[in-house]
Amino acid sequence: AQSVSQHNHHVILSEAASLELGCNYSYGGTVNLFWYVQYPGQHLQLLLKYFSGDPLVKGIKGFEAEFIKSKFSFNLRKPSVQWSDTAEYFCAVNARVSWGKLQFGAGTQVVVTP
Amino acid sequence: GAGVSQSPRYKVAKRGQDVALRCDPISGHVSLFWYQQALGQGPEFLTYFQNEAQLDKSGLPSDRFFAERPEGSVSTLKIQRTQQEDSAVYLCASSPGRAGHYNEQFFGPGTRLTVL
Repeated sequence: AQSVSQHNHHVILSEAASLELGCNYSYGGTVNLFWYVQYPGQHLQLLLKYFSGDPLVKGIKGFEAEFIKSKFSFNLRKPSVQWSDTAEYFCAVNARVSWGKLQFGAGTQVVVTP
Repeated sequence: GAGVSQSPRYKVAKRGQDVALRCDPISGHVSLFWYQQALGQGPEFLTYFQNEAQLDKSGLPSDRFFAERPEGSVSTLKIQRTQQEDSAVYLCASSPGRAGHYNEQFFGPGTRLTVL
C-alpha cells in the first residue's frame, strides 16, 4: 500500500535559520508530489507541486523542494525562515493511476521563534 | 473569487446521532474530494466525485458514512449513528479538472466534528 512518511513531527528554530523537512513515499509507479501548509487558524494551502520536468521546484514564500526519484523523496527547504512560517506542513502524494486522491504524511509542526 | 466553503464549521453530536456536513466547492470545479483528519494526523481520503458521479468511495470507514453530490456542485457527507471515533475534522477539496489530470486540489476550512 502507498504511504508517506515525514521525518519530524515537531521542529523549532529561530528566525533566519534554514529549514529542511523530509518526506519519503512508498509507491513504485509515477506520482505527483505536493507540499501543503496550514497556518494557524487557516485552511490547507498549496505550497508547491511537482508533476514532471525539473526535479527542483520553487513554490510560494521562498520555499523549494527537490524530487529525488531514486530515494523516493521530496524534501522541502527554505534558506532563511521567518516568524510567519510558523505552521504545519504536510507532504502529499498522488499516484497517477488513481483518481487523484492525495495520500498525506502525518505533518510537521514548525515553530519559528523571533 | 470564493474558495471552498464548508458548513457547519463546528458540530457537536451525541453518540448515536446522525450528522450532515456540507461542502460548497469552487464554482465550475469538476472534481470533489472528502478527507478525514484525526487529531495529530494528516488528512485521509474518504471519497471522490467527478461531477455527480461518485467514482471512488474506498476510504469511507463504514457503511454509516454516506456522501452525495446530486447536481454535481454542492456535496453532503452524512454520518449515521455517530461514534466517538468519528470525531475529526472533515475536509472538502475541489479541483477544476477530472482527477488523474494535473490538477491542484483547493481545500475548504473543514468541519470539526466532536462526538460526545
